[in-house]
Amino acid sequence: AQKVTQAQTEISVVEKEDVTLDCVYETRDTTYYLFWYKQPPSGELVFLIRRNSFDEQNEISGRYSWNFQKSTSSFNFTITASQVVDSAVYFCALARARDDKIIFGKGTRLHILP
Amino acid sequence: GAVVSQHPSRVICKSGTSVKIECRSLDFQATTMFWYRQFPKQSLMLMATSNEGSKATYEQGVEKDKFLINHASLTLSTLTVTSAHPEDSSFYICSASEDTQYFGPGTRLTVL
Repeated sequence: AQKVTQAQTEISVVEKEDVTLDCVYETRDTTYYLFWYKQPPSGELVFLIRRNSFDEQNEISGRYSWNFQKSTSSFNFTITASQVVDSAVYFCALARARDDKIIFGKGTRLHILP
Repeated sequence: GAVVSQHPSRVICKSGTSVKIECRSLDFQATTMFWYRQFPKQSLMLMATSNEGSKATYEQGVEKDKFLINHASLTLSTLTVTSAHPEDSSFYICSASEDTQYFGPGTRLTVL
């Protein structure tokens, strides 16, 4: 069975601080895809990143970075120098294929305080 | 990137009525679309997989007679909530697949 665990329900940090959102996944598949989505108050899902199981390279995109470690089944997300606009719910997710159904974690609600 | 639209974005209805939600892939053809439901402050849960030209596949615990899914063309899937009740009030999000999944903006359903 596939499962995604986001242990942090809610996090509050002061603006400009760095923050890491944790994600641990479970799957028996050798090939799989991991995702991070942002959901602002409007509700629309914003795609942030997709990573396949064969690519363990960490990725950086501006203030965002991701740390994928198969050995610990983790795919953590770090926001550097956080901004108020980063306030949202962030979901980590898992799928067997790029176009297959997605299993979402419960999400982490991030508050960036001015 | 590919665009998926949903209509309506927001709907309020009376208990006992039926509501139809449309999901369209605007610039690509999607043989598979997915319907998710999100209750307030909760995660997205897959309801069903909609396949063009065949019956939808429902997740365990989702009533197929209550949530009717029709995927009549490669660009349109509809979800009809029949005899809606207040507990059906939720945020419904569809996604369409073309090499990867693209999510619609969601439909907020409120049943009075």
